This record gives sequence, C-alpha cells and structure tokens, in this order.
Amino acid sequence: SQQGEEDPQALSIQEGENATMNCSYKTSINNLQWYRQNSGRGLVHLILIRSNEREKHSGRLRVTLDTSKKSSSLLITASRAADTASYFCATDLNTDKLIFGTGTRLQVFP
Amino acid sequence: SAVISQKPSRDICQRGTSLTIQCQVDSQVTMMFWYRQQPGQSLTLIATANQGSEATYESGFVIDKFPISRPNLTFSTLTVSNMSPEDSSIYLCSVELRETPVDTQYFGPGTRLTVL
Repeated sequence: SQQGEEDPQALSIQEGENATMNCSYKTSINNLQWYRQNSGRGLVHLILIRSNEREKHSGRLRVTLDTSKKSSSLLITASRAADTASYFCATDLNTDKLIFGTGTRLQVFP
Repeated sequence: SAVISQKPSRDICQRGTSLTIQCQVDSQVTMMFWYRQQPGQSLTLIATANQGSEATYESGFVIDKFPISRPNLTFSTLTVSNMSPEDSSIYLCSVELRETPVDTQYFGPGTRLTVL
C-alpha cells in the first residue's frame, strides 16, 4: 500500500520561480528520500534526509522533514525548464524496502 | 552511485506471451529490487532479489507470474509471464548500495512494456 501522499499532484511554474512539493506519510520512518523521474524513465536519486535531521540542502534543492507531522517538503529554487519531471518521495521503514509516494508532476515553462 | 542497465528498454508483446527483462549493474551488490510502475502511477515493489536465496515477493505478486533469477551479484532477470494488457507498465530494477551515512537505492532506466 502507498505510504506517502504527495501534493500537489501537478504543478506548473515559470522558469526562475521556486517549486515546492509536499509529502506526507503514515508510519515512523528510518529516512526519507526524494527521486526525480523524467518522462517515464528511470529514477534519479536526489537527496536523502534521515529521521533525526530537519533540513538538508543540495545545490538548488532544499528538503525539510517534520517527523511530528509525518511530512516532508522538497523546494527547488530558481527552477529551470530542465527541472520538468515527476518527483517522488520514498520512505525507508528500516526494512531495506522503499515505499513510494504518489508523485508530483512538475512542469517548468521557459 | 552505480551504473545500471536494463534490456530491453521497451517492447510490445502479444497477450499470452512472456517477456524476460534483464538488469545488469556495474558493481557487486547484495540486494536488488524489481518495481512496477503502471501508467500515470507511482512505483510498487514487486520483489526483493538477493543473490543466493529465493526472491521475496510483496503482497499481490506471485512467483508463477513474475519469476525472478539472481544468478550472481551483478545480474538479475524478471519474467512477466502469460501477459495481459493489465501488465502494460514500466518495470524498473534497483540496487541498494552500502553508503555513508545510509544505504541508498539506485534505479535502472526502466523497461516500458506494452501488451496488446
């Protein structure tokens, strides 16, 4: 069953704007990861945040984690057309298995 | 990270036939996983394939329908048997790498299957 629900399901923005995606999950986690998928191809690992971390940065990406609310957010700053993709959160329940969220389809217009 | 390849990248198959998908990784890994992504949907784990043991299937997936081989630490296959149009999906393999501070999964490019 799906662990994570993401919102929005779809997001359209202009280049240069920031994009924020949210992920909520149901049970306690070991860590949470964000992946990007371009046009139904393979997934690219973006960033991992552990359950004892609250915020993490990687380039234009900023991830937050609130374990009390069982939620995470992914912020992409100064978006580019090349950021157009689907973004998925995935939770690790300390079982080596990843459970994926429903995904957010991001469209960045030039 | 790891370089993971899948063959075929896409295929169109007839109902009732079977397709074997190959996954090759450029380093030795213990844990490999197979996922299905139905059109417009998220990823669902089919099974975990560890070298030297039988694959472990998730609820809703059975070995007769999705037999898996894991002959060595760099290779695995997933067969989609007796296919129906409902099996049309992207099938992805992933590997777990031992990294610091936590283990991380990396994905292959996927195999897009269409069943007519």
